[in-house]
Amino acid sequence: GEDVEQSLFLSVREGDSSVINCTYTDSSSTYLYWYKQEPGAGLQLLTYIFSNMDMKQDQRLTVLLNKKDKHLSLRIADTQTGDSAIYFCAEAWGDDKIIFGKGTRLHILP
Amino acid sequence: DADVTQTPRNRITKTGKRIMLECSQTKGHDRMYWYRQDPGLGLRLIYYSFDVKDINKGEISDGYSVSRQAQAKFSLSLESAIPNQTALYFCATSDRDRPGETQYFGPGTRLLVL
Repeated sequence: GEDVEQSLFLSVREGDSSVINCTYTDSSSTYLYWYKQEPGAGLQLLTYIFSNMDMKQDQRLTVLLNKKDKHLSLRIADTQTGDSAIYFCAEAWGDDKIIFGKGTRLHILP
Repeated sequence: DADVTQTPRNRITKTGKRIMLECSQTKGHDRMYWYRQDPGLGLRLIYYSFDVKDINKGEISDGYSVSRQAQAKFSLSLESAIPNQTALYFCATSDRDRPGETQYFGPGTRLLVL
């Protein structure tokens, strides 16, 4: 069955780059997403990438997709305290159902 | 005003009680979803609806039912609540023509079943 895996925790110093990794199983995924969840809030779609793309950059965010290895990463440049959140990797599966990973909690060190 | 609203935001109920969670959206989207979030488990899909007449089970639909009263409203019911249904519940919507790009989540309903 479909599955999305990501590490549960990442700790990064303020100003450094954060790289959150994710692996997925469904090679027929059409979209892959990164969502951000701040404490007490719902999920916010951060960015997405079509499955026929290798990279997408949006300001401080860079998404890399390796379809061969089914590996997706999110790089946050110049990490700030406001980036502290849980980041969910997700893939579109079947009729646009979204399968989510368990989330990576990003902790920012001063 | 928020595009996707959920009521109530917090609810405490007892085992065996019937409870309904409501979701409304002003996005004009055809597609609506109910998820639950549990610590360490991420989000899991309960039910989804592609339009008013199209309701589909997700991966964990047992113990839940839904009603799509209108394009803008999608409610989730727990017919007889049990403690392991304690979770954070999210409603989401997406555009039929651009489903991958336009997933919008509500703020969540925190449910505690005693």
